[in-house]
Amino acid sequence: GAGVSQSPRYKVAKRGQDVALRCDPISGHVSLFWYQQALGQGPEFLTYFQNEAQLDKSGLPSDRFFAERPEGSVSTLKIQRTQQEDSAVYLCASSSGQGVLYEQYFGPGTRLTVT
Amino acid sequence: AQSVTQPDIHITVSEGASLELRCNYSYGATPYLFWYVQSPGQGLQLLLKYFSGDTLVQGIKGFEAEFKRSQSSFNLRKPSVHWSDAAEYFCAVNGGGFKTIFGAGTRLFVKA
Repeated sequence: GAGVSQSPRYKVAKRGQDVALRCDPISGHVSLFWYQQALGQGPEFLTYFQNEAQLDKSGLPSDRFFAERPEGSVSTLKIQRTQQEDSAVYLCASSSGQGVLYEQYFGPGTRLTVT
Repeated sequence: AQSVTQPDIHITVSEGASLELRCNYSYGATPYLFWYVQSPGQGLQLLLKYFSGDTLVQGIKGFEAEFKRSQSSFNLRKPSVHWSDAAEYFCAVNGGGFKTIFGAGTRLFVKA
């Protein structure tokens, strides 16, 4: 079946622009996670959704970052007024159950470059 | 605070040789422990996980890992490496919440 998909795969933004990154989880998956992976680093947790509820947003680095999952399926990560330090790969993962005890299936990521 | 250390940035192993990737964690209790693999152009894939019970866990692709509480370690092993194992490997820990902490990764190179 289809896995987790993310779009766009690559995004170049000028500093100060707003961007929106989309994640399509595996159909029926309850949980959705967003991670940020800087070059040469491991993924860093950004936020967690259980259906449409955002239960943990402790990893969002600033109030310029906003995530939503209004219908409990597709999720969008929005970054306002992008800055160079936002350049990274943004990963989305979904799982069939609640929390981290269920296997997370990762998408290919969106590589964001801020110039 | 939870943290994960992967001491080796990169490792080179000959094809057919054994492999051990090191992982040390810092956490007050026994966390949930994971190993993931990331191949170029592909998403992260779970290799194995430890929640409780037998401290030697088996995963996919012939990998295994051993949880050693006394050493706060969760090292990944494979008895015979294949060229297709060349990738980046991440150790990760979770203390029970929604946030999983990943190490910086170890890049594995396999030479013929």
